[in-house]
This record gives sequence, C-alpha cells and structure tokens, in this order.
Amino acid sequence: SQQGEEDPQALSIQEGENATMNCSYKTSINNLQWYRQNSGRGLVHLILIRSNEREKHSGRLRVTLDTSKKSSSLLITASRAADTASYFCATDGGSNYKLTFGKGTLLTVNP
Amino acid sequence: GAVVSQHPSRVICKSGTSVKIECRSLDFQATTMFWYRQFPKQSLMLMATSNEGSKATYEQGVEKDKFLINHASLTLSTLTVTSAHPEDSSFYICSATGTGGTTNEKLFFGSGTQLSVL
Repeated sequence: SQQGEEDPQALSIQEGENATMNCSYKTSINNLQWYRQNSGRGLVHLILIRSNEREKHSGRLRVTLDTSKKSSSLLITASRAADTASYFCATDGGSNYKLTFGKGTLLTVNP
Repeated sequence: GAVVSQHPSRVICKSGTSVKIECRSLDFQATTMFWYRQFPKQSLMLMATSNEGSKATYEQGVEKDKFLINHASLTLSTLTVTSAHPEDSSFYICSATGTGGTTNEKLFFGSGTQLSVL
C-alpha cells in the first residue's frame, strides 16, 4: 500500500487565507518531506521534518508531525496566488533517499 | 541550491521508436538518481533507482528491458524508453541526491519530460 496519503485532494481558497493540508502514512520513517509541484514541472523541496521533531517553520510554512498518529500537516499562512500548485508529502519508510510520495493536494489560491 | 537539469522537456515520437531522456546534476555529485513516472493529476511512481557505476534497481512491475537506465557518471543519468507505445505516454521526472551538506537530505528534481507517443 502506498505511503503518504494527503487530504484534501483539492483545496480552493482566497488570497490571504491560510491553507492546511494533511498527510498520513503507514510505516516508520526517518523523516517526512513536503514538496511543491507547479503544473507540468518538477518538484521543489519545501521542508523536511525529522521523526524526532514535532513542528518546524520555514517562512510562511509550518509543518507538524505526529508519529504516534503517523500524520503530518502543512500550513501555508497568508496565501498568495503564486502558491497555487500541487503539494506532496513524501516519506522515506525508514530507508534513506527512496521516497514514497502521496497523491498530493491541489491548492488553488484565488486572487 | 543544487540544480538538476532534465532534457528534453517535451518529446513527441512515433510508436516503436526509442526516446532518451537525460538528467544532469549541474553543481553537485549525484551518487543516486531516481526516475519517476507521473500520470495526470496523480502522484509520482518510482520506477527505478540508479547508483553511479552500477545497475539500476527497478521497482516491481517496471520492465527493465523497456526502460533502460544508465548512470555512467556522477552527474548524468539517462532513461531510454525503448520501442515506445502510446501507453508509455506520461510525464517522467528524475531526481538526484548527493553526498555531503544538504544534498544528502533531500531530493533535487529535474523539470520533467512530457512524453507523447503517437
């Protein structure tokens, strides 16, 4: 079964609002990462959170990790139209580098 | 940050022909490269893992004779789709990870190749 299941599958918000995306996974991990993908492009690494961390911030991004629930959330604050993209979580399943990606959340930020 | 260049970005070919996609790490040594396939509005599916100088490791269900991977140097990996058929049409993305610094903690992705087989 695939690790990294995100929800919601699609999210549409207005500029300035916050966007929260969730990710669940099934096996133990060393770290969990979030990536962003603009349509028809490659992925860009956003943030990595290690299994012994509970929360991490990077600019307007806030990631939480609950290993007991095997879940993570990505919060984008004060969203902008340029944040429109698909967001994927990825887990390493305890094996370095070999990441398994979730299905992604398509975020649309309306100006 | 580390840059991975992938070419071509888009290719259209006739059924039965072979297509080669290149993935280069421009400013770091990519000890490991990964090739993914992505269908529209879906997630990335790992096809294979390649380490420089050794044979690629393919994921279950991926035909190694159809998707030839070569990782001849620390900066270049190629994926060749042999005898392409319409069902091979997809978005192919490479990624790389390196050694040392932050290059071994995350993946750096190419911009992807949209393959359309007529």
